[in-house]
Amino acid sequence: AQKITQTQPGMFVQEKEAVTLDCTYDTSDQSYGLFWYKQPSSGEMIFLIYQGSYDEQNATEGRYSLNFQKARKSANLVISASQLGDSAMYFCAMREIIPMNRDDKIIFGKGTRLHILP
Amino acid sequence: EAGVVQSPRYKIIEKKQPVAFWCNPISGHNTLYWYRQNLGQGPELLIRYENEEAVDDSQLPKDRFSAERLKGVDSTLKIQPAELGDSAVYLCASSLKVYEQYFGPGTRLTVT
Repeated sequence: AQKITQTQPGMFVQEKEAVTLDCTYDTSDQSYGLFWYKQPSSGEMIFLIYQGSYDEQNATEGRYSLNFQKARKSANLVISASQLGDSAMYFCAMREIIPMNRDDKIIFGKGTRLHILP
Repeated sequence: EAGVVQSPRYKIIEKKQPVAFWCNPISGHNTLYWYRQNLGQGPELLIRYENEEAVDDSQLPKDRFSAERLKGVDSTLKIQPAELGDSAVYLCASSLKVYEQYFGPGTRLTVT
């Protein structure tokens, strides 16, 4: 079963507009973490933002914010004032921890390709 | 500070040939990860090291894939023999804080 779902394979947004990239997740754990990564055409994965499941406030990093709605199991990324350089693939990911097995892995969604239009 | 270094960046081989990828993590990062990213997909974990110990290799196809991390620093991922389905980007990442992984540029493998 897919644990991270990104329903938008691609999005086109006008420069300077805000954009929301959707992400829903599935876990029965109480303690988990949610991430967003950016992957430009160069291929490198760039860490953007992290939200812990117990964090009461939504995480923010500059123009990035994570709209965390725990009851709905959603962790949408909001980019304010989009720029041409924001064009890239964006991956939502979840950290799962199973201490008994020493499991600690990050599971990625399939990504959303964001195109910023001039 | 230097980032995660991977080599080679690109590799084209014929099926049934062996191939090896090398990763040098960020200095001081004790956790190292190898991921495989198929076209149009997110990365999938192959193996995770804590220092020299492979603590999670459940997704590593052990019949043809092997990995090592000598002295808890550099790591090598090997495929022998390669199959057509192994064509993908192989990403290495390292972390100090478990929730903040830093990725290398990846090795794009094409098996013909």
